[in-house]
Amino acid sequence: KQEVTQIPAALSVPEGENLVLNCSFTDSAIYNLQWFRQDPGKGLTSLLLIQSSQREQTSGRLNASLDKSSGRSTLYIAASQPGDSATYLCAATNTGNQFYFGTGTSLTVIP
Amino acid sequence: KAGVTQTPRYLIKTRGQQVTLSCSPISGHRSVSWYQQTPGQGLQFLFEYFSETQRNKGNFPGRFSGRQFSNSRSEMNVSTLELGDSALYLCASSQTAGTDTQYFGPGTRLTVL
Repeated sequence: KQEVTQIPAALSVPEGENLVLNCSFTDSAIYNLQWFRQDPGKGLTSLLLIQSSQREQTSGRLNASLDKSSGRSTLYIAASQPGDSATYLCAATNTGNQFYFGTGTSLTVIP
Repeated sequence: KAGVTQTPRYLIKTRGQQVTLSCSPISGHRSVSWYQQTPGQGLQFLFEYFSETQRNKGNFPGRFSGRQFSNSRSEMNVSTLELGDSALYLCASSQTAGTDTQYFGPGTRLTVL
């Protein structure tokens, strides 16, 4: 069974700082990996999806990388803003649509 | 395009009752997945439906069941509610499966007293 871990559980940074969130998975035979953000009491918003054949994806200030051999993915956020404060979750899928989620990193960007 | 909608948004039930939650996917999406989110266990996969067929199922007891209709709308049912079923229930839709981005609804907050 796929196990997904996210470290750290919480992170606090000053506005404008670049930061990296980490995601580790145990089974390298993933189909894809997706990053989400969740605001308090809300559903999840998809940020980036990386197919197993890809190494990275970029969207605006966000860049996600995937290294299947080491079982790691990172989400890089450039020039952080207070509006980036949220919980960030990564999810890996081995087959079909069964996603295995990490426990998330709670990010606070201090103005 | 309208997003994924879930009804109701909030529910309060007592132990032993049953509950039905509804999810309407994005128009054109045929896959619907359900998840349970709790502070202790995080997000856990319940099941996935595609074209009215259950395609994947997570590790939950038989009290949790679901179905999908021909218009891709999905319902999940929890019978004989327990206190531990209190959670945020999220559904997600995607066009087909696997390679597609999942789009989540706002969730249904279920409280069992």
